Amino acid sequence: DVKVTQSSRYLVKRTGEKVFLECVQDMDHENMFWYRQDPGLGLRLIYFSYDVKMKEKGDIPEGYSVSREKKERFSLILESASTNQTSMYLCASRAVYNSPLHFGNGTRLTVT
Amino acid sequence: EDQVTQSPEALRLQEGESSSLNCSYTVSGLRGLFWYRQDPGKGPEFLFTLYSAGEEKEKERLKATLTKKESFLHITAPKPEDSATYLCAVQAQNYGGSQGNLIFGKGTKLSVKP
Repeated sequence: DVKVTQSSRYLVKRTGEKVFLECVQDMDHENMFWYRQDPGLGLRLIYFSYDVKMKEKGDIPEGYSVSREKKERFSLILESASTNQTSMYLCASRAVYNSPLHFGNGTRLTVT
Repeated sequence: EDQVTQSPEALRLQEGESSSLNCSYTVSGLRGLFWYRQDPGKGPEFLFTLYSAGEEKEKERLKATLTKKESFLHITAPKPEDSATYLCAVQAQNYGGSQGNLIFGKGTKLSVKP
């Protein structure tokens, strides 16, 4: 069975802190994604990676960066957390283009 | 501009009352349409993929269909445990860069009362 694991379900951080969100998939998938989900705005793509060491900006990359040093792991970094980054963060992976995305259970981040 | 619209935004049903959710899309060449279920506080769970008009997929009380302009998720005799938000997403034919990624609708929140 497909499994995408996000390291934390809930996080509370202070404004200005550097925040790391970790995601691991065990399916040998090529592509990995980070989304944020907010009420009324739906899912918005932050960054994605089609292969190891590759990364591309999604629709809302400002204030975020990513790292993919190994195929199974994709990290989202908030360089200096701000209150408007309070959100549900979802990691996903897929085998190849046009195959289904498989999501982790999300990290609810609160920045105070 | 590629777009996905889901309707209604919210739907309340009595247990056993069948209905349909709609996902209409305008994309430059559909490569695939995906349905997901999302429970509160959890990530979306993959349900179905449809690749061409006329295709249908079924799973328990759910049946997904696809035309050239829209997809329907039919729910037959729903139960309270079917309560969730249902998301639709499309893959357009453009690929490369962010255009290779899914376009999500905002979802339909389904509530089934006993």
